[in-house]
Amino acid sequence: GAVVSQHPSWVICKSGTSVKIECRSLDFQATTMFWYRQFPKQSLMLMATSNEGSKATYEQGVEKDKFLINHASLTLSTLTVTSAHPEDSSFYICSARGAPGGGQGEQFFGPGTRLTVL
Amino acid sequence: GQSLEQPSEVTAVEGAIVQINCTYQTSGFYGLSWYQQHDGGAPTFLSYNALDGLEETGRFSSFLSRSDSYGYLLLQELQMKDSASYFCAVYKSSYKLIFGSGTRLLVRP
Repeated sequence: GAVVSQHPSWVICKSGTSVKIECRSLDFQATTMFWYRQFPKQSLMLMATSNEGSKATYEQGVEKDKFLINHASLTLSTLTVTSAHPEDSSFYICSARGAPGGGQGEQFFGPGTRLTVL
Repeated sequence: GQSLEQPSEVTAVEGAIVQINCTYQTSGFYGLSWYQQHDGGAPTFLSYNALDGLEETGRFSSFLSRSDSYGYLLLQELQMKDSASYFCAVYKSSYKLIFGSGTRLLVRP
């Protein structure tokens, strides 16, 4: 149980295009999902908190108009990188909390999506 | 502001014991978690401490001292597969997780 999936696992796009990444909780309902970005050999940086049915909360320095987040249901959150540029190339990881049986403090992470912008 | 400090790299021998320290400074603290991440993979949950003391889960143990803003992860009977990056992470609220810089552990035969 407590599986979080992401799609796609990797994507290559041209500069200026938009890319949508999906995050799904497969066997539990996640009222809250989180989006992180990780550059090579660096830590995970929280980008935003996604709450079902409400607007996402963005961390300081993250452009909400560039990284559009939608949490349409209790099992799906999407991150759209709009007008992507090479500096947006990174590993994007989502996580979810609220899995039944999940220990206190535990967030379940998706496998990540590697975005490369040419 | 907020900061979490970890050693950048640790090397140990197979079968040995290694301790990875984490000191933190944050506004708001609910607990300290530890995650393991292999190259190219997703972080996997190892442990969580909300109260002072030691939590043991198999070969892994985690310790927290809230008064010292300090914690550590202890890995015993090291195996080659334990070579990975280890992150401490602080819960600033009941759900918001902030990660440390990570420690790369290399286990040698």
